[in-house]
Amino acid sequence: AQSVAQPEDQVNVAEGNPLTVKCTYSVSGNPYLFWYVQYPNRGLQFLLKYITGDNLVKGSYGFEAEFNKSQTSFHLKKPSALVSDSALYFCAVRDITFHNQGGKLIFGQGTELSVKP
Amino acid sequence: GAGVSQTPSNKVTEKGKYVELRCDPISGHTALYWYRQSLGQGPEFLIYFQGTGAADDSGLPNDRFFAVRPEGSVSTLKIQRTERGDSAVYLCASSSGPSNEQFFGPGTRLTVL
Repeated sequence: AQSVAQPEDQVNVAEGNPLTVKCTYSVSGNPYLFWYVQYPNRGLQFLLKYITGDNLVKGSYGFEAEFNKSQTSFHLKKPSALVSDSALYFCAVRDITFHNQGGKLIFGQGTELSVKP
Repeated sequence: GAGVSQTPSNKVTEKGKYVELRCDPISGHTALYWYRQSLGQGPEFLIYFQGTGAADDSGLPNDRFFAVRPEGSVSTLKIQRTERGDSAVYLCASSSGPSNEQFFGPGTRLTVL
């Protein structure tokens, strides 16, 4: 079965420092991976995705993620954190089991990112 | 352009009542998804529509839950005989195809008393 794990419930970073939010996955076949961000009382916003190609994917708001097949990881990164980056971050994998061609997403539990001034 | 919209934003109901939650996807998006998010959890898939048909309803928890998309655009999630455990935020998303990113609405917060 496909699954996603976000091992950290919370990540604390000082403004201006680099940040990493971790994600590991388990899929059969090639993964389709996504990162979403959720601000309080708002819906999920798409940040970036990996389908194929370059292992370093660049997305919105200066975020990027590195796909590592050998470690089955897709960590989210940003070189310099902003206070406004504080939010809930979700990693997701597309379920591509044989019976499903519809692209439903399996989400991790989420990681609360807190950036302090 | 307009994003995914959901109504109502909040719904409070009593145990045993029937509720309908509406989703208006991005114009032209053929794929529509419903998810449910409980407090402190990631969204969990409920059902997927491609056009008018429910292509995958494997996430619906039981037969009290049903969803329709009669004209291939707006979708309604229907919950019969609501239970307190149904309380959650119900999220709708749409995409231009199953391989593409999904765009989410703001959600409907359902509270069953």
